[in-house]
Amino acid sequence: GESVGLHLPTLSVQEGDNSIINCAYSNSASDYFIWYKQESGKGPQFIIDIRSNMDKRQGQRVTVLLNKTVKHLSLQIAATQPGDSAVYFCAESPGGSEKLVFGKGTKLTVNP
Amino acid sequence: EPEVTQTPSHQVTQMGQEVILRCVPISNHLYFYWYRQILGQKVEFLVSFYNNEISEKSEIFDDQFSVERPDGSNFTLKIRSTKLEDSAMYFCASTLSQGGTQYFGPGTRLLVL
Repeated sequence: GESVGLHLPTLSVQEGDNSIINCAYSNSASDYFIWYKQESGKGPQFIIDIRSNMDKRQGQRVTVLLNKTVKHLSLQIAATQPGDSAVYFCAESPGGSEKLVFGKGTKLTVNP
Repeated sequence: EPEVTQTPSHQVTQMGQEVILRCVPISNHLYFYWYRQILGQKVEFLVSFYNNEISEKSEIFDDQFSVERPDGSNFTLKIRSTKLEDSAMYFCASTLSQGGTQYFGPGTRLLVL
């Protein structure tokens, strides 16, 4: 079946360190992947996305890596800041579908 | 920066009552979605809507649920007879094109007593 899961439910890092948040997906038909950030009481906020014809995409302080061979997605945050503290969700879009399938989320805590 | 808005932010209702959750998608977007998130769980897809009709729906979206775009700006989710298990955060999302980035609203927290 289609599912998106996360390896670690929580991640704690020091301010200034790099963070890596991982995600495994099971639907090989998925062709679009997105990372969202959710702060307490708010809706998911788009961070970065990647399509299946790419294996890496960079944004401002964030990089998404896609390994289709092992169905793995990761989000790297450089120089993590206290404002990065939130729950991070990966989501996949199965080919031919408009819906997003979300993972459970990883709670990132940045310690000053 | 344009954003999706939702009202109300919180809604408390009695079991069996009807509720309508409202969303104003980003103005030039054409595809609209509802998702829900039960406390502490992942976000779940409910329904997608395009060109005034449902394009896809999940198993959660049963006959108690309906969506409507009553005018050029609002997109609503109606739950006809709420159940305790409908308590959740409900998020609206919109996108400009099919398969494009979905932008989410801040959500409506629904509590069914």
